[in-house]
Amino acid sequence: GQSLEQPSEVTAVEGAIVQINCTYQTSGFYGLSWYQQHDGGAPTFLSYNALDGLEETGRFSSFLSRSDSYGYLLLQELQMKDSASYFCAVVMRGNTPLVFGKGTRLSVIA
Amino acid sequence: DGGITQSPKYLFRKEGQNVTLSCEQNLNHDAMYWYRQDPGQGLRLIYYSQIVNDFQKGDIAEGYSVSREKKESFPLTVTSAQKNPTAFYLCASSRLPGQGSYEQYFGPGTRLTVT
Repeated sequence: GQSLEQPSEVTAVEGAIVQINCTYQTSGFYGLSWYQQHDGGAPTFLSYNALDGLEETGRFSSFLSRSDSYGYLLLQELQMKDSASYFCAVVMRGNTPLVFGKGTRLSVIA
Repeated sequence: DGGITQSPKYLFRKEGQNVTLSCEQNLNHDAMYWYRQDPGQGLRLIYYSQIVNDFQKGDIAEGYSVSREKKESFPLTVTSAQKNPTAFYLCASSRLPGQGSYEQYFGPGTRLTVT
């Protein structure tokens, strides 16, 4: 089976940096994606890592280590609008749908 | 503007009634998905389809049914057999994995309440 683990809640201060970790156990791993979801809204795609290393997109970066079955999402210069749930999702080989983690609720406080 | 539409945004039904949730996309995506989300929970896959007239069960298909008669449309029926239907339902679409993109696009969701 597939399993993903991420912290259920994280709190961080406005302007700070926060890291949301994701560990996975899957067969047929191909890559790791991250999605953001504000309360009551739809998830939106943030990033995708197929290779080891760091991918940077503005204030957000995502990291993958295939050998450690581990990845993280790094959010810098936190803003109040970053308060949301963040989901890691495993992209599988073949035509298999994404497998989502249970999400991490990030609260940004002043 | 390309995207995914779901209707209605809020839906109320009495227990024992079947209800159909609409999902339409104009992104020309081959794959479409239905997810269920409960408070504080992740996304659980109900059904998915990668080609017209074909679909596969996801992790929690019991009590649900789908059809894919057109590429653009993937309606979900919540039947009276679903024991706990009250939830937030999300539809998504994507290219097939072999087409070079791994991003899923989500609709705004339908919040179903059954009493």
